[in-house]
Amino acid sequence: QKEVEQDPGPLSVPEGAIVSLNCTYSNSAFQYFMWYRQYSRKGPELLMYTYSSGNKEDGRFTAQVDKSSKYISLFIRDSQPSDSATYLCAMLNYGGSQGNLIFGKGTKLSVKP
Amino acid sequence: KAGVTQTPRYLIKTRGQQVTLSCSPISGHRSVSWYQQTPGQGLQFLFEYFSETQRNKGNFPGRFSGRQFSNSRSEMNVSTLELGDSALYLCASSFSYTGELFFGEGSRLTVL
Repeated sequence: QKEVEQDPGPLSVPEGAIVSLNCTYSNSAFQYFMWYRQYSRKGPELLMYTYSSGNKEDGRFTAQVDKSSKYISLFIRDSQPSDSATYLCAMLNYGGSQGNLIFGKGTKLSVKP
Repeated sequence: KAGVTQTPRYLIKTRGQQVTLSCSPISGHRSVSWYQQTPGQGLQFLFEYFSETQRNKGNFPGRFSGRQFSNSRSEMNVSTLELGDSALYLCASSFSYTGELFFGEGSRLTVL
């Protein structure tokens, strides 16, 4: 079993839809959970960052972490064509260095006007 | 504040050649990490440098090497290029160990 599993998509939704992106993981030591967004021909940019369990909201974006199920989600409300990108989840254990940061393979999202 | 700068953005090499990629981190960031991104494997960690010392290394052959200078700028080198080395090479800088990375736009390497 891979440490981090992420459905690669592609996922296509109409403008205004609620989008749900998910990752599962196997390492219970992960404490830091991140979502990165990567536009075509660009480097990833940090979108959301969560420590341990719970929810975090930032505008139209909500990140959820369920450590008991080893499952994290990113919700996008009122999706816009500008949200079309690849979304990568990433996880790190407490005390780990950047070499221990594990990325999912990314879900490609397309929001149609 | 200037972001992470990578040069060159695009390059084409032939098998057997070597390549050097450069990265200038965000001012004040002392950690620089390098990643290889391919459609099949996703983002794979190459190595991390902190204060001119390699702190971590991923599972890549010795043909992949790097270094960091006293001003935190970093270079990575790939020798004896293979077709499979074609990828987007991303540099990221960070201030802490919490996974908050700031990526450059990458250097897209094509090996013919």
